[in-house]
Amino acid sequence: AQKITQTQPGMFVQEKEAVTLDCTYDTSDPSYGLFWYKQPSSGEMIFLIYQGSYDQQNATEGRYSLNFQKARKSANLVISASQLGDSAMYFCAMREGLSNQAGTALIFGKGTTLSVSS
Amino acid sequence: GAVVSQHPSWVICKSGTSVKIECRSLDFQATTMFWYRQFPKQSLMLMATSNEGSKATYEQGVEKDKFLINHASLTLSTLTVTSAHPEDSSFYICSARDRRAARTDTQYFGPGTRLTVL
Repeated sequence: AQKITQTQPGMFVQEKEAVTLDCTYDTSDPSYGLFWYKQPSSGEMIFLIYQGSYDQQNATEGRYSLNFQKARKSANLVISASQLGDSAMYFCAMREGLSNQAGTALIFGKGTTLSVSS
Repeated sequence: GAVVSQHPSWVICKSGTSVKIECRSLDFQATTMFWYRQFPKQSLMLMATSNEGSKATYEQGVEKDKFLINHASLTLSTLTVTSAHPEDSSFYICSARDRRAARTDTQYFGPGTRLTVL
């Protein structure tokens, strides 16, 4: 079974509108971290936002917010006021285990391509 | 934020030659670095975990004699693709774990290296 599921291969949104990118995860570890990364066409992976499994509040970073629903095992990314520069591929990722455990790689979803139009 | 560099950003080589890719953490020490491979419009596939001063841990199906990884210092890891063949053509991207971000254990990615083997 996939550990990270992103069900939307592509999303289209107009400038200034909000968009939600879906992510569900599967783990039996009570300690985990969830990440969202943006990958523009140039290829670099840009860290956007983090949510820890024990965090009580949803994470926010500027125009990015994470809608964390622990019981449903979902960690959707919300981008408010979309901009043309937001067009990119977006990956949801999970780290299982405590943050201080050495050598824990990220597990990535298949990604969602977001296209923002004017 | 933490900066990771990768060199070269792209390389074209003849079949049978070896190619070395460097991954450096510029403003932090990285005891653990990760190497990923990514095919066009697909997700990142973890190849190996590189720990400073010890042998790399390879994922199942990744040939360790083909993809040599050396983590010589706290700021440098190298991936050498030995006797490269056209099927090794891909986008290779490294990430480094920033221990300063202890709570989140965020991984920061290099800009990637596009390898084309003729």
